[in-house]
Amino acid sequence: EAGVAQSPRYKIIEKRQSVAFWCNPISGHATLYWYQQILGQGPKLLIQFQNNGVVDDSQLPKDRFSAERLKGVDSTLKIQPAKLEDSAVYLCASSLDLAAGETQYFGPGTRLLVL
Amino acid sequence: SQQGEEDPQALSIQEGENATMNCSYKTSINNLQWYRQNSGRGLVHLILIRSNEREKHSGRLRVTLDTSKKSSSLLITASRAADTASYFCATDWPQGGKLIFGQGTELSVKP
Repeated sequence: EAGVAQSPRYKIIEKRQSVAFWCNPISGHATLYWYQQILGQGPKLLIQFQNNGVVDDSQLPKDRFSAERLKGVDSTLKIQPAKLEDSAVYLCASSLDLAAGETQYFGPGTRLLVL
Repeated sequence: SQQGEEDPQALSIQEGENATMNCSYKTSINNLQWYRQNSGRGLVHLILIRSNEREKHSGRLRVTLDTSKKSSSLLITASRAADTASYFCATDWPQGGKLIFGQGTELSVKP
């Protein structure tokens, strides 16, 4: 079974530029998550989708971050404009469903450096 | 703010020794999960313990949960160099799905 795919794996941009990350979840997984992991910290949930609807985006900085999951499969996360403090690893995860206790399967992440 | 806090932040042991990591959390939970993250990689699910369970085993892993103290521990027995990684506990909100991760324990197992 293929895992969660993410691209690109690495990205270096200058502040105020825009960047987009792509995620392809495990086939059949209804729930998709985007996390931000700053160096030395645990992942922090940015947004959670159930199929193509947003379940939770309470921690998404909506003035600069946006995400979509058209057709309920792939998802993109965009930052525009980027700030220095956005340097982090962006992890995508998916699970079969929304229920508590569902195992989340993580992709390898995209490491973003904002200069 | 993050729900879980892990202790210690870093742990260095010799191969064959046991490693114990602790996690404390703040609010009531449905489940608590432990994940491992190798350097530069995504997280891998290790084990889930439900709020009505006190102890769970999986291979060389043993997890305990004390809901009265809002704490959990992960024990890795007979550690191997390949166990070198960061370990995170994660709790889920009562409404389901959303995980709140701790800051992690960085484990180094020296051959």
